[in-house]
Amino acid sequence: EAGVAQSPRYKIIEKRQSVAFWCNPISGHATLYWYQQILGQGPKLLIQFQNNGVVDDSQLPKDRFSAERLKGVDSTLKIQPAKLEDSAVYLCASSSGLAEAYEQYFGPGTRLTVT
Amino acid sequence: KQEVTQIPAALSVPEGENLVLNCSFTDSAIYNLQWFRQDPGKGLTSLLLIQSSQREQTSGRLNASLDKSSGRSTLYIAASQPGDSATYLCAVRPRVGNNRKLIWGLGTSLGVNP
Repeated sequence: EAGVAQSPRYKIIEKRQSVAFWCNPISGHATLYWYQQILGQGPKLLIQFQNNGVVDDSQLPKDRFSAERLKGVDSTLKIQPAKLEDSAVYLCASSSGLAEAYEQYFGPGTRLTVT
Repeated sequence: KQEVTQIPAALSVPEGENLVLNCSFTDSAIYNLQWFRQDPGKGLTSLLLIQSSQREQTSGRLNASLDKSSGRSTLYIAASQPGDSATYLCAVRPRVGNNRKLIWGLGTSLGVNP
């Protein structure tokens, strides 16, 4: 089965610009996650969707970050405007269910550099 | 508050050696623990998932153990190869707390020298 797809793989922007990332989860996976991973740190959960509803966005900086999963499949994460500290790898993951026992599968990530 | 620690932060071994990576957690109330591999600049690959009721899981040359009472998990890699060079992260899913999000260690960076 195909894995989690993400694009672009790399992005370089200047501060105050906008950027958007796209994620396509494994087919049939109801739960989708966006993580931010700063170099040398573990991933930080930004937002979790169950189908097209938000389960948890408590760590999403809502003044500049937004995410949507309109049809319960693909998702986009947007940053507007970007700051230097947003430089990180943005990881998308999916799992087949919401229950805690389900394994998460990760995409290749998007490396964002803000200059 | 659940905290996850991985020791050592970095490890370098010659090819062919068996090795153990350690992960410790402060609260034994967990649903499961997951080991991941991350290559430089890449995403995370799930290696093994151990449910709280399990003691170990095996996949090929990898064996992960879980001792909830002592708050420890180990990842054993047999007959290491240069292709095993990567960062290995463990993450626990707590039974209580804020949405029971995965709590991550900082990883062990492994280098296997030919």
